Amino acid sequence: DAGITQSPRYKITETGRQVTLMCHQTWSHSYMFWYRQDLGHGLRLIYYSAAADITDKGEVPDGYVVSRSKTENFPLTLESATRSQTSVYFCASSEPGRFYNEQFFGPGTRLTVL
Amino acid sequence: QKEVEQDPGPLSVPEGAIVSLNCTYSNSAFQYFMWYRQYSRKGPELLMYTYSSGNKEDGRFTAQVDKSSKYISLFIRDSQPSDSATYLCAMSAWGAGGTSYGKLTFGQGTILTVHP
Repeated sequence: DAGITQSPRYKITETGRQVTLMCHQTWSHSYMFWYRQDLGHGLRLIYYSAAADITDKGEVPDGYVVSRSKTENFPLTLESATRSQTSVYFCASSEPGRFYNEQFFGPGTRLTVL
Repeated sequence: QKEVEQDPGPLSVPEGAIVSLNCTYSNSAFQYFMWYRQYSRKGPELLMYTYSSGNKEDGRFTAQVDKSSKYISLFIRDSQPSDSATYLCAMSAWGAGGTSYGKLTFGQGTILTVHP
């Protein structure tokens, strides 16, 4: 199906483990984003990418790594998970040229770090 | 201080009420203003957007922007139980030729419940 998908939808892991969250979009949008959503903080930008092989830090990048070798994929890796990284993670994409920057969001990944 | 402030609520209203949701911001470079709606356990979806100051109406929803006061609002008329969701304001400074890569700055979100 066309759109933006995330996997897994739910993940439980332990402190210190490496975890990778996947994001895939079928629109060939240039821009992609990773957010985390926590009560009281809204959506906070972790990393974003303007194109394949171009990534940059957002507001809360510490403890996360991203890559973008293909336009359609934008995986997020927690190198050594901590309890403070328990959150709901959303991936989004958008296309330059739309002046109001509508971002299209995936369904989210609910991550619990024990 | 956050760039965008939004009262998280929660807000509970009876069906048919007029709902007012608000955000304030500090960055005068913001020129595009959006409201996203997020149902429980779903991703946010764009509800409305406005450019610069003014009003925009779409059915029961009206978005207002007052750049002089750095204040935006979303009004919902004749609210319905199906309007129960989290509403997030979002803002962007990006424009033609801009280099902000389409980044949005979000408010904390307001949880709205409309009860029958």
